[in-house]
Amino acid sequence: GENVEQHPSTLSVQEGDSAVIKCTYSDSASNYFPWYKQELGKGPQLIIDIRSNVGEKKDQRIAVTLNKTAKHFSLHITETQPEDSAVYFCVADQSGNQFYFGTGTSLTVIP
Amino acid sequence: DADVTQTPRNRITKTGKRIMLECSQTKGHDRMYWYRQDPGLGLRLIYYSFDVKDINKGEISDGYSVSRQAQAKFSLSLESAIPNQTALYFCATSAGSPNEQFFGPGTRLTVL
Repeated sequence: GENVEQHPSTLSVQEGDSAVIKCTYSDSASNYFPWYKQELGKGPQLIIDIRSNVGEKKDQRIAVTLNKTAKHFSLHITETQPEDSAVYFCVADQSGNQFYFGTGTSLTVIP
Repeated sequence: DADVTQTPRNRITKTGKRIMLECSQTKGHDRMYWYRQDPGLGLRLIYYSFDVKDINKGEISDGYSVSRQAQAKFSLSLESAIPNQTALYFCATSAGSPNEQFFGPGTRLTVL
């Protein structure tokens, strides 16, 4: 199966600063990489995704990069706001059948 | 109304009891999934179903079983609950793969 490693496990930033979360995966067959945000007491919710034929994708303050050769992908949040505080998960999808989640990053944005 | 609902939202039970967690969706998706979330481990896939007649084991299926009663309903059973099955359980749906999965609000299960 796939192995997804995620760092850091906790991250605190000042409001307005940027936050970066990094993940690596082990299986080159993985071809879809979504990022999920989980707020307290809720289920995870997709914030952005990237497919293996794309190197970078941006949606307003959120961007994701993918390096297939090195098998790593990253989430970048710019101009962070208190409402960005949550747990973020990276995911690798192998052959469209199974999501493999990273262990999560708890992001705190300090006002 | 929520697109993916889970019942119950919280459940406390004793070792050896049979437990069923239920999931219903109004999104019209064919694919449904059950995950387990433990602190520090992320979410892990227990079972998934691509249609009513298709059931597949995930990463951690031992001790669990599932039933797909209809396109919109997918149940997870613990035949004889044990304390290390204490966790947060999520149901999810998707329209196809690879594609976004939509998660329910979760069921917090405690096995004493």
